[in-house]
Formats: sequence, structure tokens, C-alpha cells
Amino acid sequence: EVQLLESGGGLVQPGGSLRLSCAASGFTFRNYAINWVRQAPGKGLEWVSAVGGSGGSTYYADSVKGRFTISRDNSKNIVYLLMNSLRPEDTAVYFCTKGPLTVPTISDYWGQGTLVTVSS
Amino acid sequence: DIQMTQSPSTLSASVGDRVTITCRASQSISSWLAWYQQKPGKAPELLIYKASDLQNGVPSRFSGSGSGTEFTLTISSLQPDDFATYYCQQYRSYSRTFGQGTKVEIK
Repeated sequence: EVQLLESGGGLVQPGGSLRLSCAASGFTFRNYAINWVRQAPGKGLEWVSAVGGSGGSTYYADSVKGRFTISRDNSKNIVYLLMNSLRPEDTAVYFCTKGPLTVPTISDYWGQGTLVTVSS
Repeated sequence: DIQMTQSPSTLSASVGDRVTITCRASQSISSWLAWYQQKPGKAPELLIYKASDLQNGVPSRFSGSGSGTEFTLTISSLQPDDFATYYCQQYRSYSRTFGQGTKVEIK
């Protein structure tokens, strides 16, 4: 059974940093792209970032480019999202999702999400 | 970035109704479109990919169509479990934009 477990969310001040983790199980991790998708309270979905199966290809939404860094450790089956220079508008539930291919496309499995709150 | 626009934003319908949701892309995305369903407090679930391919385990009352810039999600006979919010997502460009969502409410 595919499982994606996010952790690392919490309350952080504007300008601060946070690192989210996504621990995966139930599939051959290195063969699949992983995405981060966020949802601000009461709002719609926003794709944030993606990493290919090997970790060599990374992609970012314009809203987070230069502030967020996605990476993966295929020996530990974990994906990270390092978030710097956080802004109040980054407040959201962050979902880790698995894609059906090595290159990022869509999300066929989702974690339950971790809440990030950026506030003073 | 490719912009995705869904209509309507909210839809009121009754059990048994045929429901259609539209998603328009700001430029051609060929058939690189997915649909998701999200219930309150839950993570979204994939319904359809490549515009019309049904994800494993999704009931056949769901169907998708379209190509280029205009797409539709149809629920042939609305069931109580289908009251939720639906999102389209394009994956033609690497910035995988979502539509703003369509909430299907009980009439």
C-alpha cells in the first residue's frame, strides 16, 4: 500500500525557515516523481514543487522560486522541502504527492498534509 | 504560466442529476489534463488523467473529455458520495497549475 507521511509543519515567523519531510513507503521510491502541493485555508490547490525520480530534475512554482528547495534521499525514501524567507501567504496545508512516472506529471497518491502557519 | 479556469465555481444539484464541469486552459495543453475530487478535511483523489482516462477504482459514472483548451468532467448520475469540490490540473508545462475548483452542493 502506498503511504506518504508529511512532517515538519508548524508555526514560524515571517522571514523564517522550515523544512518539511515526506516519508514514503509501499512503492519503489526512486522510480517515481514526488510533488508538493499546498492549500491555503479555505482556498484551492496550488502546485508548489516537484522532483524527478533520480533527484536530478527539480521544478518550482514562480511564487516560491528562489525561496524553496526540493530534494530527495532515495536511500531513505524521503523527500524534503526546505522553505526559506517565509511569508504569511505561504500559510497552507502542504501535501506530498506521488506521480505515476519518473518525470513529474500528476499526483496519483496524496499524503494527508502538514500545516504551515507563517505569522508573528 | 498556463492559466486554468473552471466553471461554474459552485453547482447545486440533486442525486441522480447529470453534472458537467468545464475547465478552460489559457493555451493549448493537448490532452495533458487531470481531474481530482476533494472532500472537506481530506486530501484530493485522482479521478481522471490524460483528459479522459479513468484512474483505477474510480466509478464509471465519472468521465472526462476534451483536448486543446476546453475540457469537461461529467458525472452521469450524481450520487451522495459525489458532493465535493473538483479541480482540474494541467501538466503540459512544468508549472502544474490547477483550476480554482468547482464545489458540487446538494440542491
